[in-house]
Amino acid sequence: DAVVTQSPLSLPVTLGQPASISCRSSQSLVYSDGNTYLNWFQQRPGQPPRRLIYKVSNRGSGVPDRFSGSGSGTDFTLQISRVEAEDVGVYYCMQGIYPFIFGPGTRVDIK
Amino acid sequence: QVHLVQSGAEVKKPGASVKVSCKASGYTFTSFPMHWVRQAPGQSLEWMGRINAGNGDTIYSERFQGRVTLTTDTSANTAYMELNSLRSDDTAVYYCAYRSGLDCWGQGTLVTVSS
Repeated sequence: DAVVTQSPLSLPVTLGQPASISCRSSQSLVYSDGNTYLNWFQQRPGQPPRRLIYKVSNRGSGVPDRFSGSGSGTDFTLQISRVEAEDVGVYYCMQGIYPFIFGPGTRVDIK
Repeated sequence: QVHLVQSGAEVKKPGASVKVSCKASGYTFTSFPMHWVRQAPGQSLEWMGRINAGNGDTIYSERFQGRVTLTTDTSANTAYMELNSLRSDDTAVYYCAYRSGLDCWGQGTLVTVSS
């Protein structure tokens, strides 16, 4: 199976400042239909995960536009343009080609 | 609005089985697959498998193949995940999630395996 890694694993951020999380897969996430299946999820403390981004760069319904995704092939990035207090939590990337595989998570907290 | 409501917490002994339910509302149940993901305490997320709610077709993670069974009751708009031969390391929160983008998640069901 592929391996999905993230960096950093811990990210202290200052309110109002940008933040960036990297995700790398050991295999290309470009599927035979031409789409790239890489999703990002946010998990706030004590909550189930919430999907933020699908297919690399598409924001889910209700997701603030300060969240953006980019990348291609095997290397991807989640960016938060200006971190707010409600963004504290763990962020996971996931390969959306079977078998789905999640990264280890990046814990975001406020400095 | 899509809503997934899971059954309550379970405590099981090693070797037993557990069956978790996920009742869906807000969309046509048979139109989209349902996935199951688990999260052990303090750990990342682990995908277990998915069921096509329209025809019952399943795909399982190799890690759980032979030990997990996904089913649906389309008359009740409910999906089920049954895990057997439970071990202590199966202690986790189990989630259902709708569509292959995992667009929306249930609230989670804590399964504790302890003698």
